[in-house]
Amino acid sequence: AQSVTQPDIHITVSEGASLELRCNYSYGATPYLFWYVQSPGQGLQLLLKYFSGDTLVQGIKGFEAEFKRSQSSFNLRKPSVHWSDAAEYFCAVDPRGAQKLVFGQGTRLTINP
Amino acid sequence: DGGITQSPKYLFRKEGQNVTLSCEQNLNHDAMYWYRQDPGQGLRLIYYSQIVNDFQKGDIAEGYSVSREKKESFPLTVTSAQKNPTAFYLCASSKTGLNTGELFFGEGSRLTVL
Repeated sequence: AQSVTQPDIHITVSEGASLELRCNYSYGATPYLFWYVQSPGQGLQLLLKYFSGDTLVQGIKGFEAEFKRSQSSFNLRKPSVHWSDAAEYFCAVDPRGAQKLVFGQGTRLTINP
Repeated sequence: DGGITQSPKYLFRKEGQNVTLSCEQNLNHDAMYWYRQDPGQGLRLIYYSQIVNDFQKGDIAEGYSVSREKKESFPLTVTSAQKNPTAFYLCASSKTGLNTGELFFGEGSRLTVL
């Protein structure tokens, strides 16, 4: 079945440590790929997106993501997290031509001081 | 400033009542969406509309209804037929085609059924 999976429900990292959030998808053709962030009680904001081309994508707030076709993955990374990065992160896909986004279950990020 | 406005932010409803959530955008976007968010389940698509006077069911449309009479507005009605309506509801919009890549979200409406 077509799906988007974020294996980690909750991750805790120390401030200044590196971060990697995992996202795997299961679609026949490579979909368009996105990462969004949600602060508590708020809407979502786009961090970055991948359509084609360079497999390493840079986004806002110092985030980047790498598309790996062989692993059907689109993992989000940040070299050094800040306390303000505490939020929920969602991976999303647009199956090409579907005209709608499908979201993963989300990963809640906690930052230890 | 351009954006999406959802109202009310908090809403309480008795069982058996219909409620309507408002969503207005001034981004001149053609496409609008309603998502439902429950803890641990991500966002699930309820309805979406690519153009005025047209809309499609998403993955969980049962118990909900929408209208798109104006480009700027996409209200969602949660009917009494929705068995478990307590949730956080998010409205979003985008340029037509979606492969422009970005949904713009409102701040959400939290519905609680008493």
